[in-house]
Amino acid sequence: DAGVTQSPTHLIKTRGQQVTLRCSPISGHKSVSWYQQVLGQGPQFIFQYYEKEERGRGNFPDRFSARQFPNYSSELNVNALLLGDSALYLCASSLWGQGFNEQFFGPGTRLTVL
Amino acid sequence: AQRVTQPEKLLSVFKGAPVELKCNYSYSGSPELFWYVQYSRQRLQLLLRHISRESIKGFTADLNKGETSFHLKKPFAQEEDSAMYYCALSGLGSGAGSYQLTFGKGTKLSVIP
Repeated sequence: DAGVTQSPTHLIKTRGQQVTLRCSPISGHKSVSWYQQVLGQGPQFIFQYYEKEERGRGNFPDRFSARQFPNYSSELNVNALLLGDSALYLCASSLWGQGFNEQFFGPGTRLTVL
Repeated sequence: AQRVTQPEKLLSVFKGAPVELKCNYSYSGSPELFWYVQYSRQRLQLLLRHISRESIKGFTADLNKGETSFHLKKPFAQEEDSAMYYCALSGLGSGAGSYQLTFGKGTKLSVIP
């Protein structure tokens, strides 16, 4: 298993544009979470999805949205890009159920907004 | 609001010296605390969690609720320990299966040969 995969690896956009980032979880994992990591900071939680439903949302504006598909893959969309959206976007997948479910992180998508 | 503070951006130690990476947290309930590590050109990965009370790669961390701290320690640093370390917390009982992590800013550990 290749682990969590994300595409694209790098992306350059200009202010005002829209972007879609993609994530494929580890086989058997039904939950996907998204994090934003600005340079010099730790990852910041954006969304968590399970069975195509949003199960958690961090403190991000409505310009950020996500969805999960029947195969448990996920997309993160960001509209009206701002310079401050430049960051590494991490996807993590996990099992779901009572008790601890370790999140396994992908390599990330590096978004640069010019 | 929950918060994780890692006061040191960079920590340099000599090989064989003890290591302590500091982490303090703020949370109104009963959090679960974690340490994540990111080695050069690798993915972010879980190192240890406080509930398991394990020693991983020689590292241990004890949750001190009185001081709201979860410092990471290793008695003898190795060169392969050089990496970025993040302390994180998740609120217990966020919901079955739900682990929404709050990370600190991270500490870069550099072990000098």
